[in-house]
Amino acid sequence: GNSVTQMEGPVTLSEEAFLTINCTYTATGYPSLFWYVQYPGEGLQLLLKATKADDKGSNKGFEATYRKETTSFHLEKGSVQVSDSAVYFCALNTNAGKSTFGDGTTLTVKP
Amino acid sequence: DAGITQSPRYKITETGRQVTLMCHQTWSHSYMFWYRQDLGHGLRLIYYSAAADITDKGEVPDGYVVSRSKTENFPLTLESATRSQTSVYFCASSVGYKETQYFGPGTRLLVL
Repeated sequence: GNSVTQMEGPVTLSEEAFLTINCTYTATGYPSLFWYVQYPGEGLQLLLKATKADDKGSNKGFEATYRKETTSFHLEKGSVQVSDSAVYFCALNTNAGKSTFGDGTTLTVKP
Repeated sequence: DAGITQSPRYKITETGRQVTLMCHQTWSHSYMFWYRQDLGHGLRLIYYSAAADITDKGEVPDGYVVSRSKTENFPLTLESATRSQTSVYFCASSVGYKETQYFGPGTRLLVL
């Protein structure tokens, strides 16, 4: 079956530090890949996505590149802010609508 | 534009009772999903639906029932609630199966 593995958290960084959250996947076919973010007490919301190999998704300073050769979709941001503190989920969708999420990585950014 | 809503937002029930969680979306999205979120497990897919009257099991369907008679509604029923079903439940919808999912605010369910 499909699976998504995220780096274990929690992750604590100082403001303006560089962020990387690793995500690797196992899937049949050609999945679409996503990063979602969840703020306290809320549902998940899309951060960025990529639908085919070598695509780069970007939003709000975050980036991730769909690497088919390494089955990875690592999330990066050059300079984090306190407002980026949240839980980040890597996810994939394949045919027939079944979606798979990673366990989530909690990011805390300290001023 | 309400988007996707869930009700109730909070629910306390007792073991053995039937509980129905409601989900409503205003976008006419074809796909709808139910997830549960538990510490250490991320989000796990319970059921999903590709269109009205078409539903299929996800990763953890046991103990749950869904229906989708109208495109905009996708209720989730716990036929006989158990303590292990204490969780936060999220509904989501999307235009297509490989497209972005839009999540509701969640329902926090406590089974005593």
